[in-house]
Amino acid sequence: DAGITQSPRHKVTETGTPVTLRCHQTENHRYMYWYRQDPGHGLRLIHYSYGVKDTDKGEVSDGYSVSRSKTEDFLLTLESATSSQTSVYFCATRLAGPSGNEQFFGPGTRLTVL
Amino acid sequence: GNSVTQMEGPVTLSEEAFLTINCTYTATGYPSLFWYVQYPGEGLQLLLKATKADDKGSNKGFEATYRKETTSFHLEKGSVQVSDSAVYFCASQFGNEKLTFGTGTRLTIIP
Repeated sequence: DAGITQSPRHKVTETGTPVTLRCHQTENHRYMYWYRQDPGHGLRLIHYSYGVKDTDKGEVSDGYSVSRSKTEDFLLTLESATSSQTSVYFCATRLAGPSGNEQFFGPGTRLTVL
Repeated sequence: GNSVTQMEGPVTLSEEAFLTINCTYTATGYPSLFWYVQYPGEGLQLLLKATKADDKGSNKGFEATYRKETTSFHLEKGSVQVSDSAVYFCASQFGNEKLTFGTGTRLTIIP
């Protein structure tokens, strides 16, 4: 257990409102990731971070932004939520190092946009 | 680009049956390969991995062998239990790059 928590665990919001999801880790892992999970798509990477203030886009980054001001926290913001962003969001972390280092996942946040 | 294709589900088996979930990858090179499992209401957790050709990953009675000839990493278990009911994801990774996941296979084991 890599000590990853996500907050909130559940959220219902309305179209057009901003939403911020938080991921917090206690393992001092360098890499952090945000994924969304949707039926038929598996997990798709939204954004990731390879260090404090170092972030990059994943395959489905439109409509999302991230920030990482300290090692332990990685925030995902939906600037103006849409119904297509209804999903389960997972945060993950990984140690720096060679290929083969596993990613550790948080418990997920279920977001519903009405 | 890199991609992972895995057997579509859902898969339903009786307890003590033999399990195979197929996974193939496409890549220009030799990625590390993973199987992750997601139990109901939880995040993903690593089940097993292999980092080079012919390696066999194993854990909790599950096995998968990295076959570069067939670009495959099929998941097997000789005798499944009800507690193995979950969603299984195959994934690949190059170096420090991101994981590429398959779409997941839902497995249900009937007593």
